[in-house]
Amino acid sequence: EAGVAQSPRYKIIEKRQSVAFWCNPISGHATLYWYQQILGQGPKLLIQFQNNGVVDDSQLPKDRFSAERLKGVDSTLKIQPAKLEDSAVYLCASRTEGVGNTIYFGEGSWLTVV
Amino acid sequence: AQSVTQLDSQVPVFEEAPVELRCNYSSSVSVYLFWYVQYPNQGLQLLLKYLSGSTLVKGINGFEAEFNKSQTSFHLRKPSVHISDTAEYFCAVIGRDNFNKFYFGSGTKLNVKP
Repeated sequence: EAGVAQSPRYKIIEKRQSVAFWCNPISGHATLYWYQQILGQGPKLLIQFQNNGVVDDSQLPKDRFSAERLKGVDSTLKIQPAKLEDSAVYLCASRTEGVGNTIYFGEGSWLTVV
Repeated sequence: AQSVTQLDSQVPVFEEAPVELRCNYSSSVSVYLFWYVQYPNQGLQLLLKYLSGSTLVKGINGFEAEFNKSQTSFHLRKPSVHISDTAEYFCAVIGRDNFNKFYFGSGTKLNVKP
C-alpha cells in the first residue's frame, strides 16, 4: 500500500515570497490533515479536511496560509507571503473513518524562510 | 479538549539499557492513546496504540506502553535499547467524544549512546 506522498521535500525561500506544498493521501482515506512542526515542538494542526470539506481550520493563519482539497483526494497548502517564523516541517497525514483509526504521516516538506 | 504532557524533552541512555519515556494526558472524557516515532528527516510512524482492553500494549521494535487511567499516564518502555532507537518520540491523544482531533505532546528525544 502506498503511503502519504508529499512534495517538495525541501524548499528554501526568501521572506515575502510564496510557496506551495502538495499532498496525496493514502487511497480511500477520507480525512486529510496538514500539521506544522517547528523544530523542537510537537506537530500543530493547521487544517483538517473530511473529503473536500474543511472540518477544522481554527489554527490556520488565514491571512497568509490557504489550503484546498479539490475532488476530495490530493491537497495543496500555500503560504503567501512567507515569514521567517514559518520555517518548519509541514506534515500531511490521512486516516480512514472509524474509532481510533491511525493517522498515517507523509515524510514532510521542510521549509526554510531566509 | 485534551492535552498531552511529555515530561522529558531529552533522554540520554546507553545501548542495551532500559528506557522509559513519560507521557501524561488530560481529558474530561475517555481517550485513545498513541505513541509515534520520528527518525531524522522523516515523518511520524506509529509505534503502538491503546484503544481498549488490556492496559499493556505492545508495539513495533520491542516497545510497549501501559495505560494507567488513575494516573492519566501512558508511559513508553523498552527493556533494552539499540543505537537505531535514537529518534524523537511523540505521545498523542484523541478523545472518544471527537474521533478527529489528535493532540500531540512536545516530544522526547531519545539519544542512545554506545
